[in-house]
Amino acid sequence: GNSVTQMEGPVTLSEEAFLTINCTYTATGYPSLFWYVQYPGEGLQLLLKATKADDKGSNKGFEATYRKETTSFHLEKGSVQVSDSAVYFCALRRNSGGYQKVTFGIGTKLQVIP
Amino acid sequence: DAGITQSPRYKITETGRQVTLMCHQTWSHSYMFWYRQDLGHGLRLIYYSAAADITDKGEVPDGYVVSRSKTENFPLTLESATRSQTSVYFCASSSDVPYEQYFGPGTRLTVT
Repeated sequence: GNSVTQMEGPVTLSEEAFLTINCTYTATGYPSLFWYVQYPGEGLQLLLKATKADDKGSNKGFEATYRKETTSFHLEKGSVQVSDSAVYFCALRRNSGGYQKVTFGIGTKLQVIP
Repeated sequence: DAGITQSPRYKITETGRQVTLMCHQTWSHSYMFWYRQDLGHGLRLIYYSAAADITDKGEVPDGYVVSRSKTENFPLTLESATRSQTSVYFCASSSDVPYEQYFGPGTRLTVT
């Protein structure tokens, strides 16, 4: 079956540090890949996505590249801010015809300290 | 206001009680979902619905009941709450292609 693996954290960084959150996946076929962000007390929001190999998703300074050869979709940001403190979820969805369920990772908590 | 809302935001109930969590969306999205979020498990799908009167089980459906008589509403009922159902519950909705999900703010449920 489909699965997503990411570290639970917390990941603690100083402001302006470089961020990497690793995500690897197992899936049949060629899934779409997503990063969601959950700020404290809120629901998940779609941060970025990539629908095919070598695509790069980007938003709000965050980037992730769909690497089929390593089955990875690592999230990066060059300079984090305190406001980036949140839980980040990697997710995938198969691209077969019609609706396919989304599989989420366990979420990685990021704490950015001033 | 447009969007997806959940009520109540917080609920404390006793073991054995029936509890209903409400979810309402204003986008006329076809699909709606219920997830629970627990430490160490991330999000797990409880039930989903592809349209009014069409529902299907997710990963962890036991102990839960859903209905969808109107497109905009998707209530989740715990018929006899247990402590293991203490969790944060999220409702989500999506249109057809590209099937991107939009989440509500969540309901924190505590079963004592």
